[in-house]
Amino acid sequence: KNQVEQSPQSLIILEGKNCTLQCNYTVSPFSNLRWYKQDTGRGPVSLTIMTFSENTKSNGRYTATLDADTKQSSLHITASQLSDSASYICVVTTTTDSWGKLQFGAGTQVVVTP
Amino acid sequence: SAVISQKPSRDICQRGTSLTIQCQVDSQVTMMFWYRQQPGQSLTLIATANQGSEATYESGFVIDKFPISRPNLTFSTLTVSNLSPEDSSIYLCSVVDYPGQVFSSYEQYFGPGTRLTVT
Repeated sequence: KNQVEQSPQSLIILEGKNCTLQCNYTVSPFSNLRWYKQDTGRGPVSLTIMTFSENTKSNGRYTATLDADTKQSSLHITASQLSDSASYICVVTTTTDSWGKLQFGAGTQVVVTP
Repeated sequence: SAVISQKPSRDICQRGTSLTIQCQVDSQVTMMFWYRQQPGQSLTLIATANQGSEATYESGFVIDKFPISRPNLTFSTLTVSNLSPEDSSIYLCSVVDYPGQVFSSYEQYFGPGTRLTVT
């Protein structure tokens, strides 16, 4: 069973609207949580990185939240643009995992329509 | 930040052949990794490419199937050998920037990926 679960699996939104993606994890001991954006045919690009002491972090129109107690995170996209169409991947790292051993979610596929 | 390029970007190969994927980084990096992303699934770590020594493979991946070279701090290759349709995936190179930093704040960059289709 994947220790990082994302919802919804896919999402269609109108350009200009907001949306929120969810990530629940069971991974422990927790070190940090990252959100990546992966455009079709491209590698993942980091949006935000949060440690357990951070509960919100923004990167332009992207805002990530983290509740380390409930092991939940969300990624909020404000005023969506066509270029936001991509897969958004939640990634969790533990303090015991070796370098590169990241726990990846399956991703949420976001499609922004005109 | 590290800029990563991969060659080829995509390829279609016949069953039983091999494909070698190249990864080039624009700066010297200590940690370099190879991942596989099967259709509709999340990324899975194949191995850590160690400069000057053998790669370290994750459970389920073996050197005979996925030989890796790392001749210097900016370049690595991954070969997928004896191809079968199950090897059809995207293969991504990834690097960690400045691992000497506090563990929780390091940045990890990914290459654009190589899309492999085995017929």
